[in-house]
Amino acid sequence: KNQVEQSPQSLIILEGKNCTLQCNYTVSPFSNLRWYKQDTGRGPVSLTIMTFSENTKSNGRYTATLDADTKQSSLHITASQLSDSASYICVVILSGNTPLVFGKGTRLSVIA
Amino acid sequence: EPEVTQTPSHQVTQMGQEVILRCVPISNHLYFYWYRQILGQKVEFLVSFYNNEISEKSEIFDDQFSVERPDGSNFTLKIRSTKLEDSAMYFCASSGVGAWGDTEAFFGQGTRLTVV
Repeated sequence: KNQVEQSPQSLIILEGKNCTLQCNYTVSPFSNLRWYKQDTGRGPVSLTIMTFSENTKSNGRYTATLDADTKQSSLHITASQLSDSASYICVVILSGNTPLVFGKGTRLSVIA
Repeated sequence: EPEVTQTPSHQVTQMGQEVILRCVPISNHLYFYWYRQILGQKVEFLVSFYNNEISEKSEIFDDQFSVERPDGSNFTLKIRSTKLEDSAMYFCASSGVGAWGDTEAFFGQGTRLTVV
């Protein structure tokens, strides 16, 4: 069964600190992996898309890594801001035009 | 910037009633999706739609659900006889030319459906 597991479930950090969110997946065949940010009551917004051959990709203060051998990904947030408070969802896509497989997300709270 | 729009933002309905959730995907997109998210749970796939027909659907998408693209712009999700457990946030998404693999997927802001 295709699974996407994320850890931790929730995280509280001080403004300005860094944090790393983890994602493990068993989805196969794998096409690409995405990290989405979802503010409470809003739709998910894509942060980054990583294909099988990519190991690292950055988008501003967000850096995603992917190890296709171990089927693990991480999202590193640098110098966190209060506006980073949201759920961060790891999403894996199978090959072709198939649905996204969502993780449960990590709820990040950045406090002053 | 183009965006997926959904209406209404919040709908309250009585159990057993029919509801129609509306979505306007990004204009040049060809792939359309409905997802739902029960409060506190993860986003779940309902159905995908391409070339005016359902291309894939999940176990959740039973005979009570249907989708339609009645004109060139709207994409609707109908629930014929709502149940309490249908209460959730429903997200519409669309993707451009080509499969998910290479193109960005854009989600709407969601419709919160409350069945009482």
